[in-house]
Amino acid sequence: GQQLNQSPQSMFIQEGEDVSMNCTSSSIFNTWLWYKQDPGEGPVLLIALYKAGELTSNGRLTAQFGITRKDSFLNISASIPSDVGIYFCAGTTSGTYKYIFGTGTRLKVLA
Amino acid sequence: DAGVIQSPRHEVTEMGQEVTLRCKPISGHNSLFWYRQTMMRGLELLIYFNNNVPIDDSGMPEDRFSAKMPNASFSTLKIQPSEPRDSAVYFCASRAREGLSYNEQFFGPGTRLTVL
Repeated sequence: GQQLNQSPQSMFIQEGEDVSMNCTSSSIFNTWLWYKQDPGEGPVLLIALYKAGELTSNGRLTAQFGITRKDSFLNISASIPSDVGIYFCAGTTSGTYKYIFGTGTRLKVLA
Repeated sequence: DAGVIQSPRHEVTEMGQEVTLRCKPISGHNSLFWYRQTMMRGLELLIYFNNNVPIDDSGMPEDRFSAKMPNASFSTLKIQPSEPRDSAVYFCASRAREGLSYNEQFFGPGTRLTVL
């Protein structure tokens, strides 16, 4: 099935560093979602974005809905060990039930 | 509030056996999704229910797979007979009826299925 391009695929960072990842699509979406998946668990919704250009924060996490509506970005500030996991983006359009998921960014934080 | 509940969390079975996975969506949500996650293919939508009615089952791999939603608070995904290539993590997700969070899907913890 179709997947969104996420980059980077994986990251190793030091505790305290900031993290940036992005997601790109060939299609326009009107909703972008960011999830985090811990090992052995289901994806947990972090942030939902509904408007082009929207910038939304959730604690140390900040996500942006790209102006072209074909991309989205997630930033994590001052990373901590519990930020370890796989981060997925997902795009969808109102009135549909199809969610296109990204390939995931695997984050590892070195203490 | 309880999130999406799935059972069992882990299932190990032998090829040819019937497997039934269960899901309880978030109360008040009227959309339910079953996904399969593998390393190779990521998250794949298997079937989508709206108001307990299957709307799209085009992602169900074969006739060996079937899903039901007898009421708003319960759904099952059945594999009969199971095969080793069915080994994966199966997720159930639900979505609210209306409102600002209409497009937000909430996932359960998943069932890790291993078919020997």
